[in-house]
Amino acid sequence: AQSVTQLGSHVSVSEGALVLLRCNYSSSVPPYLFWYVQYPNQGLQLLLKYTTGATLVKGINGFEAEFKKSDTSFHLTKPSAHMSDAAEYFCAVSAQTSYDKVIFGPGTSLSVIP
Amino acid sequence: DAGITQSPRYKITETGRQVTLMCHQTWSHSYMFWYRQDLGHGLRLIYYSAAADITDKGEVPDGYVVSRSKTENFPLTLESATRSQTSVYFCASGRGGPYEQYFGPGTRLTVT
Repeated sequence: AQSVTQLGSHVSVSEGALVLLRCNYSSSVPPYLFWYVQYPNQGLQLLLKYTTGATLVKGINGFEAEFKKSDTSFHLTKPSAHMSDAAEYFCAVSAQTSYDKVIFGPGTSLSVIP
Repeated sequence: DAGITQSPRYKITETGRQVTLMCHQTWSHSYMFWYRQDLGHGLRLIYYSAAADITDKGEVPDGYVVSRSKTENFPLTLESATRSQTSVYFCASGRGGPYEQYFGPGTRLTVT
């Protein structure tokens, strides 16, 4: 069975500081991994995804994430936080052999302090 | 309008009433999904559909019914609403596999 954990339900960073949102997954088969962002009163939208190939993936708005099979992680980073990055972030996983369902993590709320 | 839409955006109903939430997508995506979002639980899959006339249960299907007679529509019905079904409901569509899901704006449902 697949599962996703996100360490820290709430993260605060200062504007201009590094953003690091943690995601660990469990999957018995090679996974597809996703990060989605949800702005207030909106649906989710894709930030980036890992399917195959290069383990460092770049997404929109300056975010990137690295797939590390050794520690089953897919942490999201951004070098310099902007006020507009304040949102809820969800890590998600689906199995390559059973892609009908995507399992979402509980989410991490990011606050950016001016 | 292109994209994925949900209606209504807000709904207040009473316990025991039947409620239908609508979802419509214009991309002809084969997969469609219904999630509910609750504080502390993230997103939980209620039902999904791989194609017209093919639906399957997700993590929390009890109390919900879906149908998909046309590729573009995927309505979710609460047959007899309960207070525990107060939530924000998101519809999504996609091509499955490594492809992303596209989410609608959500329906905020309150059951009194």
